[in-house]
Amino acid sequence: ETGVTQSPTHLIKTRGQQVTLRCSSQSGHNTVSWYQQALGQGPQFIFQYYREEENGRGNFPPRFSGLQFPNYSSELNVNALELDDSALYLCASRRQGGNTEAFFGQGTRLTVV
Amino acid sequence: AQSVAQPEDQVNVAEGNPLTVKCTYSVSGNPYLFWYVQYPNRGLQFLLKYITGDNLVKGSYGFEAEFNKSQTSFHLKKPSALVSDSALYFCAVRGVNFNKFYFGSGTKLNVKP
Repeated sequence: ETGVTQSPTHLIKTRGQQVTLRCSSQSGHNTVSWYQQALGQGPQFIFQYYREEENGRGNFPPRFSGLQFPNYSSELNVNALELDDSALYLCASRRQGGNTEAFFGQGTRLTVV
Repeated sequence: AQSVAQPEDQVNVAEGNPLTVKCTYSVSGNPYLFWYVQYPNRGLQFLLKYITGDNLVKGSYGFEAEFNKSQTSFHLKKPSALVSDSALYFCAVRGVNFNKFYFGSGTKLNVKP
């Protein structure tokens, strides 16, 4: 196991609702990023946090937002849920640096109905 | 722009035979390249990475990858496939500002007994 834990594992929400997903980073990792993986596709980068600041963002609208806490845990918030937001959401943590690999949690499966 | 291509949606190989999963990349500057494996309903597990140095990189579970700068490729290889290697494999490149991974679309590896 990598030490990155995500909660909840599964979630069902109604269109228009808001959702918060949580991630606990691996010990010693100060950088956390979030990815959306639609069925049959590769993970798509949402954003990254380092020292509680967002320092990178993919092509996702502002209704996708996040937080990183002093203990390096993180949240992903999605407002005004749409059916297309149904996906596996992956959190990954790593040490800061260009050559460091990211370790992924098992993901949260979000279904929007 | 950074991008990764995995030209094969699926690779079929018999147990005991060598396997190759292909990946080509496009990146500005020096490439930081990674391979991950994903089992059903699981997050991504790190296999190996290329940062600099030897063109043949050895990783977990007997996997290795060959970096070819002139062909901008980073193919994943294993001398003798196991049925338990059957999974979804993703190639990824680190962006030039190191803030995100760009993932390929994934290759499903089927190893038949």
